[in-house]
Amino acid sequence: LAKTTQPISMDSYEGQEVNITCSHNNIATNDYITWYQQFPSQGPRFIIQGYKTKVTNEVASLFIPADRKSSTLSLPRVSLSDTAVYYCLVGRYRLFSGGYNKLIFGAGTRLAVHP
Amino acid sequence: DADVTQTPRNRITKTGKRIMLECSQTKGHDRMYWYRQDPGLGLRLIYYSFDVKDINKGEISDGYSVSRQAQAKFSLSLESAIPNQTALYFCATSGLQGYEQFFGPGTRLTVL
Repeated sequence: LAKTTQPISMDSYEGQEVNITCSHNNIATNDYITWYQQFPSQGPRFIIQGYKTKVTNEVASLFIPADRKSSTLSLPRVSLSDTAVYYCLVGRYRLFSGGYNKLIFGAGTRLAVHP
Repeated sequence: DADVTQTPRNRITKTGKRIMLECSQTKGHDRMYWYRQDPGLGLRLIYYSFDVKDINKGEISDGYSVSRQAQAKFSLSLESAIPNQTALYFCATSGLQGYEQFFGPGTRLTVL
C-alpha cells in the first residue's frame, strides 16, 4: 500500500479556501485516494474519493494530477466547524473480490480555522 | 438512532482483566472493522470481517480477538488487558466498496 505524506498542521481563517496536499509517490494502478475528516472524540467521516482528475461533491473537491503521485483536498470557504483532522488514504481496489482490503490512516493534517 | 453503535462508551479496567467491546450496526453492511487510535495518531486496524465467516487480522491484532456473532454484530475482546492497550477504539462498517466506512462513536478504554 502506498505511503502518504501530508502536513502535520495548517491554519486558516473563516471564509478562506483551504487546500491540503497529500503526497503518495508509490501509488499503484489499482489504488484509489480517499479523504476522511475527524472531529475530536468522534469517528472519522468520509469526505471524498477519487482516482484521477477532479472530483467534486457538496463538501469538497479533490484534485489529482495525471501522474497521481499527489492529491489536493480543497475546502471552499471554511468555517470554524471545519476545524478537524483530515486524513489522506490510499487504498487498493481488489479487482476480483471487490472493494478495499483495508485503509491505512496516517497521522493526518490538523486544520485550525480561526475567526 | 445511530447507524453504528458501540458499548460501552467508556471503560476503566485493571491489568489482566478480560474486556469485551461491542459493536452493532443497522446499515445492513457485510463488512465490519475494529480500529484503535492513540492520542495524536491516526487509526490502526486491529481486525476486519467481510462476512460472518470471514475474519482477518489487521496491523495490530496481537492481544486482541474478535467475534462476528451476526451480520450486525462484531465484538472485540482483550483477553488480558495491559496498560498499553489504553486507547480510543472505533468500530466501522462498509459496503462492498470498502472505501467509505461508517464509524461508531468510539469506546474510550483505560487500563490501569
